[in-house]
This record gives sequence, C-alpha cells and structure tokens, in this order.
Amino acid sequence: GAGVSQSPSNKVTEKGKDVELRCDPISGHTALYWYRQSLGQGLEFLIYFQGNSAPDKSGLPSDRFSAERTGGSVSTLTIQRTQQEDSAVYLCASSFNGGYQETQYFGPGTRLLVL
Amino acid sequence: RKEVEQDPGPFNVPEGATVAFNCTYSNSASQSFFWYRQDCRKEPKLLMSVYSSGNEDGRFTAQLNRASQYISLLIRDSKLSDSATYLCVVNSNTDKLIFGTGTRLQVFP
Repeated sequence: GAGVSQSPSNKVTEKGKDVELRCDPISGHTALYWYRQSLGQGLEFLIYFQGNSAPDKSGLPSDRFSAERTGGSVSTLTIQRTQQEDSAVYLCASSFNGGYQETQYFGPGTRLLVL
Repeated sequence: RKEVEQDPGPFNVPEGATVAFNCTYSNSASQSFFWYRQDCRKEPKLLMSVYSSGNEDGRFTAQLNRASQYISLLIRDSKLSDSATYLCVVNSNTDKLIFGTGTRLQVFP
C-alpha cells in the first residue's frame, strides 16, 4: 500500500519568505509527527498530532513554526519569515495509534534550502 | 547530557566482519527501544525493536541492559548492503521518540 508522502521533495526559498510543507500519512494512521534533520545531525522532534487531541507542540523551535492537520489526515507545516538556519530536511512520520511501542513510518522528506 | 548518545563512527569494516554498536539513554523510565536504519539521503526505517530479553533477526542481534541504560546492536557477517547510519531510538516519558544522532557503518569489499 501507499506509504507516507511529502511534498515538495525539494524547496529553495529566499530568507524572509514563508514556506508550506505537506505530509500525507498512511491511510488509517491516527498519529502524525514532524521532525527536522540538519546536515550530520540527528532527528529533532517538532510536533505530534494524535487523533482529535491537542497537538504536542513542544518541539517547535520558534513561533515562526506552526502546523495543522486537517480532517485527521493531511498535515501542513508552515515556516514564516524563513531564516538560513531553517535549512534542513523536514521529515514526516505516521503510526497507527501513536503509542510509544509503535513503529513510525517516515516519508521521504522535504529538503529545504533558505538562501 | 543528551537523552540518547551514540558513537558517531564511522565504523569501516570488511565484508564478513562482525560489528557492534552501542547506545546509552538517560531516561530510566523509558520503555520502548528501537534501532532504525537510515541510508544516505533517505528516510529512517525500522530495523528492529529491542526487547528486554534480547532479540535476534537473522544476522542482527539487539540487547538491552536496563540497569546500565544501555542498548546494543550486533551485526554478523556484514554485507556491503549493510552500509548505512544506524539510529538508536528510545521513547521519552510520553509517546515521543528520541532519536540518537546515529552511528555510520561502511562495509568495504
């Protein structure tokens, strides 16, 4: 079946512009996660959606970052007034029920470059 | 101290070698442990979960030592296709997973 998909696969933008990154989780998965991976670094947790619960936004690095999940499926991560340090690979993952024992399935990521 | 710490490597080993990776975690309340594999410029994928009693999947063996807060991954008879970065992953005290920065393995002919 279809895995997690993300778009765009690559995004080049100028400093100060806003960007939107999209994630389509695996159908039926109620949990959705956003991570950021900078060059040579580990995955940095950003935000977690689980069903209809309030999202866990504890990993968002600043108020320029926001995310929403419409209809319990597709999610959009928005970065306002992008900075060069926002350049990274943004990975989305989903799992069936969000439990800590569950496998997370990752999308291919969006490579963001801020000039 | 980082929540999950790994030796970044790289580990350069010949085909057929046995190689072991170690990982330590700081949260004694963690209950779920995993090894994920990440190929160059690809997304992470689950390699195996780690159970208290230790578990094996073909050439791969994972072990957990709760007392020392230590996880290991052993790869026997290394293949060229094993070349990748291996991520140690531990749950926080919520449903979030904490990823280590990874250990890079390069298997050469």
